[in-house]
Amino acid sequence: EVQLVQSGAEVKKPGESLKISCKASGYSFTTYWIGWVRQMPGKGLEWMGLIFPGDSHTRYSPSLQGHVTISADKSISTAYLQWSSLKASDTAMYYCARPQYGSADYWGQGTLVTVYS
Amino acid sequence: QSVLTQPASVSGSPGQSIAISCTGTSSDVGGYNYVSWYQQHPGKAPKLMIYDVSNRPSGVPDRFSGSKSGNTASLTISGLQAEDEADYYCSSYMTSTTLDVVFGGGTKLTVL
Repeated sequence: EVQLVQSGAEVKKPGESLKISCKASGYSFTTYWIGWVRQMPGKGLEWMGLIFPGDSHTRYSPSLQGHVTISADKSISTAYLQWSSLKASDTAMYYCARPQYGSADYWGQGTLVTVYS
Repeated sequence: QSVLTQPASVSGSPGQSIAISCTGTSSDVGGYNYVSWYQQHPGKAPKLMIYDVSNRPSGVPDRFSGSKSGNTASLTISGLQAEDEADYYCSSYMTSTTLDVVFGGGTKLTVL
């Protein structure tokens, strides 16, 4: 059974760093893209970026490139989303998902990130 | 503003049928048979309901169906049930963006 299990909710202050995780199981982690989807409070879904764990090739939404870093550790089948300096506007629910040709068949349960001073 | 346009809201009574549209361009919806639909209940992760325009993943009721005509895709839900009340998002493969995939803005379905 394919599963994506994300790390727990986080509360941070502006300027702090953060790394959240998504552990995959039930499939070959290195042969599928995996990505991160942002959902700001009361808003829709937005792809942030993708990584191919087999070679760590990454692709980012132009609006977010430079603000977040996506990485993966194939030894433990885990993808990461990282910020070096959080802003209040990063407050959102973040989902990892496995995309294939316009669809995402498996999703994590979501990680709520709250940034406030 | 999303690349794919959906109505903000639709509504229907139990037992009725409704359709949600998703309008794009020839670079996304119209150019490929890679349109998908997601259901999201409040506080829950999205769930894939339709992929490749009209295919249902295992476990999705056949009350849910998908279609496409030109640059517009549609999700039809027949025999509406109270538990169908949720947000619905379309998504399409596209080649004019870095990520090759984009969501619609979402549609709130209310079961009256």
